Amino acid sequence: QITLKESGPTLVRPTQTLTLTCTFSGFPLSTRGEGVAWIRQPPGKALEWLALIYWDDDTRYSPSLKSRLTITKDSSKKQVVLSVTNMDPVDTATYYCAHTMWPVTEYFDYWGQGILVTVSS
Amino acid sequence: DIQMTQSPSSLSASVGDRVTITCRASQGIGNYLAWYQQKPGEIPSLLIYAASTLQSGVPSRFSGSGSETDFTLTISCLQPEDVATYYCQKYNSAPFTFGPGTKVDLK
Repeated sequence: QITLKESGPTLVRPTQTLTLTCTFSGFPLSTRGEGVAWIRQPPGKALEWLALIYWDDDTRYSPSLKSRLTITKDSSKKQVVLSVTNMDPVDTATYYCAHTMWPVTEYFDYWGQGILVTVSS
Repeated sequence: DIQMTQSPSSLSASVGDRVTITCRASQGIGNYLAWYQQKPGEIPSLLIYAASTLQSGVPSRFSGSGSETDFTLTISCLQPEDVATYYCQKYNSAPFTFGPGTKVDLK
């Protein structure tokens, strides 16, 4: 059974860096084809894909946010970490991590419960 | 980058109605399209992938069709538990963009 859970701060100040951790179970991110993505959703708004990391450490980023995002993994700890620099109030959102597969199957079949991050001074 | 649009943005329908939601890609994406359902206050849930393949456990009243640029999600007989926002998502290549969503509620 695949499960994912997001953790991290729920309140960050403008200009700070947000670091979120996704702790997963039920699949080995070290196995060919496995991947974990981050997706966010501002309150009352649509889903926005942010970043994805594959089993081989290859990464993909949203072009509009690429300069501010870093995604890394620690397969032995079963964790994926997303960093977002220079946080702004418009980055207030629920951040989800989700399981995906490669190749050309990068839809998201298992999701974490999400973590609401508020950016405010 | 390929843009994803959905229509309508919202709709109201009666229980038992047939509901159709359209998703359009600005360029061809083959059949690399997924649909998600997000009920109020809940996390998104995968409904359909490869444009028309139902995820395990999804009721058969849901169906998907289309290819390249034009896709549809159909609910053949709307149920109260189908009240939700529905999103399409492309996955032919990065970025794995979502559509803006279609909110479905009961008339």
